[in-house]
Amino acid sequence: DAGVIQSPRHEVTEMGQEVTLRCKPISGHDYLFWYRQTMMRGLELLIYFNNNVPIDDSGMPEDRFSAKMPNASFSTLKIQPSEPRDSAVYFCASSFAVEQFFGPGTRLTVL
Amino acid sequence: GQQVMQIPQYQHVQEGEDFTTYCNSSTTLSNIQWYKQRPGGHPVFLIQLVKSGEVKKQKRLTFQFGEAKKNSSLHITATQTTDVGTYFCAGPLRGNEKLTFGTGTRLTIIP
Repeated sequence: DAGVIQSPRHEVTEMGQEVTLRCKPISGHDYLFWYRQTMMRGLELLIYFNNNVPIDDSGMPEDRFSAKMPNASFSTLKIQPSEPRDSAVYFCASSFAVEQFFGPGTRLTVL
Repeated sequence: GQQVMQIPQYQHVQEGEDFTTYCNSSTTLSNIQWYKQRPGGHPVFLIQLVKSGEVKKQKRLTFQFGEAKKNSSLHITATQTTDVGTYFCAGPLRGNEKLTFGTGTRLTIIP
């Protein structure tokens, strides 16, 4: 198995632009998590899904952030419009039991 | 805000010295997990502890869960350069699937 796949690996955009991050979880995993990591705030859970259904989105910063999971093999995290304070590494992780398997992350820079 | 704290935030040790990081939760945890993140990498699961007072070993790493299930520690004996990275504890503060990650301890090895 290739593990959790995220794209793009790096994204540089200008303030106000829409950003879409993509994630393909490990096949057979029924949980999918989106995290954001910054020096200031550490590793924060944004939202998680179980069987494609959003369970808890209390970590989503504001309405500019949205996430979808249309099927078991794909999820997106969208930021519209983006702001410089959104610059961070965004990780997707999946699991079917205890262990969470993280993807390589997307490093987002908003200028 | 963060409810899982780790100390120290940074630790620099000579290669061959021991290292310990401590994790403290504001609430009782049903279990605690430990992850390691190499510089530029993504968190990787190390272990889960479930029982009060539980101690588990992985080669030079020793993990302990406190009697009150509110704290945990990770001890590395005779550190090696491959131990470099940030060590996170994580616990389900609310619900069983959603993990709250600690603030992390960044370990640097001086050769």
